Amino acid sequence: DGGITQSPKYLFRKEGQNVTLSCEQNLNHDAMYWYRQDPGQGLRLIYYSQIVNDFQKGDIAEGYSVSREKKESFPLTVTSAQKNPTAFYLCASSIGSYQETQYFGPGTRLLVL
Amino acid sequence: AQKVTQAQTEISVVEKEDVTLDCVYETRDTTYYLFWYKQPPSGELVFLIRRNSFDEQNEISGRYSWNFQKSTSSFNFTITASQVVDSAVYFCALSEARGGNKLVFGAGTILRVKS
Repeated sequence: DGGITQSPKYLFRKEGQNVTLSCEQNLNHDAMYWYRQDPGQGLRLIYYSQIVNDFQKGDIAEGYSVSREKKESFPLTVTSAQKNPTAFYLCASSIGSYQETQYFGPGTRLLVL
Repeated sequence: AQKVTQAQTEISVVEKEDVTLDCVYETRDTTYYLFWYKQPPSGELVFLIRRNSFDEQNEISGRYSWNFQKSTSSFNFTITASQVVDSAVYFCALSEARGGNKLVFGAGTILRVKS
């Protein structure tokens, strides 16, 4: 079955720690995205990648970093510079990067200890 | 700037009632796409529909229907004969032609269907 997987489902971060959220897709999609969802709010774009080895900042990129070394994978690192990391993180992918439908993974909930 | 407003924060209905979720958008582009997604309690966003700005035909899919009106910048979603399984958060989103594939989401509407 084709789809998007995210791991872990829950992640706990200590003060000053960097953590990495995994996102993998086997849909052969070129573009991938990371969104953050806070309670009572819509999703906000953190980073996106239209092609391997290339990515762009979204609206709230500060305190986050990404890499796109493989087409299937788009990991997100939440650095210690992100002062309010507690949120639900959703990864998405689309066939292309021009107004294509984005399909979402199951999400990772990040909590700060 | 692009913006999506879902004024209804939460709606509660009894099973079998019809319910309409409102979505109003703002954009300066003439070419854009509108989307609806469903987020059940599990958290994953499920794609429901994509509509481009040049296609104002209403669409029906089973118990779901969408009413796109450019004159009022609205893209409303109606569920007919609601069921408990329809309980979820529903998001409307906008993608402008000049914005690449960036989606701008509304804040979402929580729909609670009671049996």
